Amino acid sequence: GAGVSQSPSNKVTEKGKDVELRCDPISGHTALYWYRQSLGQGLEFLIYFQGNSAPDKSGLPSDRFSAERTGGSVSTLTIQRTQQEDSAVYLCASSLDRTNSPLHFGNGTRLTVT
Amino acid sequence: DAKTTQPNSMESNEEEPVHLPCNHSTISGTDYIHWYRQLPSQGPEYVIHGLTSNVNNRMASLAIAEDRKSSTLILHRATLRDAAVYYCILRDETEGSGGYNKLIFGAGTRLAVHP
Repeated sequence: GAGVSQSPSNKVTEKGKDVELRCDPISGHTALYWYRQSLGQGLEFLIYFQGNSAPDKSGLPSDRFSAERTGGSVSTLTIQRTQQEDSAVYLCASSLDRTNSPLHFGNGTRLTVT
Repeated sequence: DAKTTQPNSMESNEEEPVHLPCNHSTISGTDYIHWYRQLPSQGPEYVIHGLTSNVNNRMASLAIAEDRKSSTLILHRATLRDAAVYYCILRDETEGSGGYNKLIFGAGTRLAVHP
């Protein structure tokens, strides 16, 4: 079956521009997560959505970062006024809302801010 | 969140067993031990998880110490495709704890497999 799909796979943008990254989770998965991974580093949690509950935004690094999940499915991560330190791979994952349900990750969007 | 400690890197030869250790001395009673791995240029993938008893699946085995303060991921016969970063993560599965809202990844162990 189809896995988690992310687009674009690569994005190069100029400093100060806004970018939108898209995530299509696995059908039926009610939980959706965003992480980012800087070069050679581990994964940093950004935000989590679960059904109609308020998202857990505790990992967002600044107010330039925001995310939406429309209709409980597709999610968009928006970064406003991008900075060079925003350059990273942005990973999306989804899971069922059950105890110990594993996360299924996409292959990420590689963002480069020049 | 309870923390885990893993070696930065390990090496193995192809077709030999690999034992990847993880220390989690501050683990709580409701923490499950999860392992994920990340192959080059890919997102992480789930490997295995357990609470107290040893676990086996088609990818690996998980051996959990009796006091639960450490665990070992066992790859029975390493292949070149097993070269990856392996993450040991504690996940609080108490309903309403918010723990299973997210996984907190550490630096992991980078496994190199030699032909």
